[in-house]
Amino acid sequence: QVQFVQSGAEVKKPGASVKVSCKASGYTFSHYGMHWVRQAPGQRLEWMGWINAGDGGTRNSQKFKDRVTMTRDTSATTAYMELSSLTSEDTAVYYCARSGDNWSVDHWGQGTLVTVSS
Amino acid sequence: QSALTQPASVSGSPGQSITISCTGTSSDVGGYSYVSWYQQHPGKAPKLMIYGVSNRPSGVPNRFSGSKSDNTASLTISGLQAEDEADYYCSSYTSSITPYVFGTGTRVTVL
Repeated sequence: QVQFVQSGAEVKKPGASVKVSCKASGYTFSHYGMHWVRQAPGQRLEWMGWINAGDGGTRNSQKFKDRVTMTRDTSATTAYMELSSLTSEDTAVYYCARSGDNWSVDHWGQGTLVTVSS
Repeated sequence: QSALTQPASVSGSPGQSITISCTGTSSDVGGYSYVSWYQQHPGKAPKLMIYGVSNRPSGVPNRFSGSKSDNTASLTISGLQAEDEADYYCSSYTSSITPYVFGTGTRVTVL
C-alpha cells in the first residue's frame, strides 16, 4: 500500500532553515507528483508547492516562492522540502502527499511538526 | 491566491443529510473539474473523500457525494454518522500563478 514516512519533529531558531524528508513506498515513485501542504496550529490547510517526481519540475505557491525548495531523489524514493528564513509564523505541521487524479491529493504522510522559536 | 470560501461550521443529527459549500471564482472552481474534498479528524492527516468534483476513491462510503454549479462546489453527507464529525476542506486547481488552493475549512458536528 502507498505509504510515506516523514522525518521527525524539528525546533528551529528564527532565520534558520529546515529540511523535511518524505520516504515513499508502495508505488512507482517517479510516476506521480508530490505536494507539500502545511497546517499551522488550529488553522486551515495551506498549499506550498508540487514537484514532478519524474523530471524534478516544480510549481510553488507565490507566498513561498523565494523561500521554499523542493527536490527529490528517485533512487531513494524520497522527496524533500526545504524552507528558509523561518519565522514564528512558519510553526506548523508539514505534510507530503501524493498527487492523484484531477489534481487531487490522494495519499498523505503523517506530518512533521516544525516549531520556530527563539 | 485567496482561499476558497466555506462555512465555518455545519451540524446535523445522526441520519440526516448535510451539505457543505465551497465558493470560488471562474479561475478555479468554476473553470475546472478539479475540485476535491478532504476529511480531517483532530490530530490526523487529511483523507481524500471526493476528487474530480464527484468521484469517490475506493473505500469512501457512498454517503459522501460531490457536485458543482457555476463557481460553487458542494459536498453532501447523507445518513450522517457520529464518525463523520471532523473538519472538511475543499480544494481546486486554479489558473492563477499559484496553481492550487484549499478552502477555509468547515467543522462538521454531529448533534
